[in-house]
Formats: sequence, structure tokens, C-alpha cells
Amino acid sequence: DSGVTQTPKHLITATGQRVTLRCSPRSGDLSVYWYQQSLDQGLQFLIQYYNGEERAKGNILERFSAQQFPDLHSELNLSSLELGDSALYFCASAGQGTGVEKLFFGSGTQLSVL
Amino acid sequence: GQQVMQIPQYQHVQEGEDFTTYCNSSTTLSNIQWYKQRPGGHPVFLIQLVKSGEVKKQKRLTFQFGEAKKNSSLHITATQTTDVGTYFCAGTVGYALNFGKGTSLLVTP
Repeated sequence: DSGVTQTPKHLITATGQRVTLRCSPRSGDLSVYWYQQSLDQGLQFLIQYYNGEERAKGNILERFSAQQFPDLHSELNLSSLELGDSALYFCASAGQGTGVEKLFFGSGTQLSVL
Repeated sequence: GQQVMQIPQYQHVQEGEDFTTYCNSSTTLSNIQWYKQRPGGHPVFLIQLVKSGEVKKQKRLTFQFGEAKKNSSLHITATQTTDVGTYFCAGTVGYALNFGKGTSLLVTP
């Protein structure tokens, strides 16, 4: 158990809908990273937060947004969903989010857009 | 932006054979990390390399960081069925960690 909690584990929805994925980092970790994993693209970095502030942005679509709350949990919002958004979404946490620390990954949320 | 490429994409070996996966970056890396993801699981940190030419060993696993800090490799000696999974390298870009697409290893008993 990595100590990172992601909910829900599975999500099935329809095109055009909006969903929210939730992540609680390990106790004491201030930084949260979001990744999208699909079969052909591997692990794509989406966005990183540190202590409530956005710190780094990757290949995140405009339809996607995220935030980190004062209690350090984070939410990834995906809107106007398309079939191609079906993927496994991972959250990972790290102590300081410097990019040179190891990441602890949650078990992921499997999103299926039908 | 930085691209981290991994080869091969897939590797199928007989138990007891050796396995190597290679990671190459378009730019010089400050450090490189390796992760393993078992089927149905999540990525788990294996190791981090920081110094040019660094070599680190974990039992049957040997990790190398190139002299130019643009490439890295993971070598597994005498694979076992427990080695099955996808191995990812990841390079730091600013505060982010960019992952390669991974090498999926299948080990047949």
C-alpha cells in the first residue's frame, strides 16, 4: 500500500459528461501529480500541484482541470468527455514535489467513456 | 520539450534469460528514475540515478546512467516469473517527471 488513495476505482460514463477524480496524498506529502495512462501513450504527465498551488503543467487538455485543496487532497475534473479520454488516471504524491524525489502512486481510476 | 524514449516496447524471454531495457533522452537529464508496474497494478519506484556514469545494483537488477546523462539502462540477470511487468524510466523536467512509454516484460516458465 503506497498510502495514496484514489477514488473511485472505476468510472463508467457517456460522451459529453463531466466527472471528478479524487486523490488523497500520503500523510506529510505536499505535492500531487496526475498522470493519464493509455495503451499507446504510456504514462502522460498532466499536472502537478504543490501545497495548493499549480507548479507544473504537462499535456493536459483544456477540457481537463485540477485543483489541490487546503487539506492537500486533489481533484481532477474531466469535462465534455470523449471516447478517447478512456484511460487509467493515476495520482502520485511526493514530499516536496521537486521532481527529483520518488513518487508514490495510487491504485488509479479506470475511466471508461461509452 | 524533453522526450524520453524506451526500447524495446515489448520483450518476451524464457525464465533464466537476461533482459535489458534502454532509455534515451533528447536532452541531458539531471537525474533518471526507474519504476516497475505489475499487470493490473500501479507504478512502483525502483531507483534513482543522479551521477554521470553511475551504476547501481539491486540483487539481479543493474541500473546504469550514461556518461553524457542522456541515456540509461536496466539489466535483469536470470529473469524470474516475478519480474513480469512494465518497466518505466522517467526524467525530470523542471518539477515534473516525464515517463517513457515503458518496456513490457513477459517471462515464460
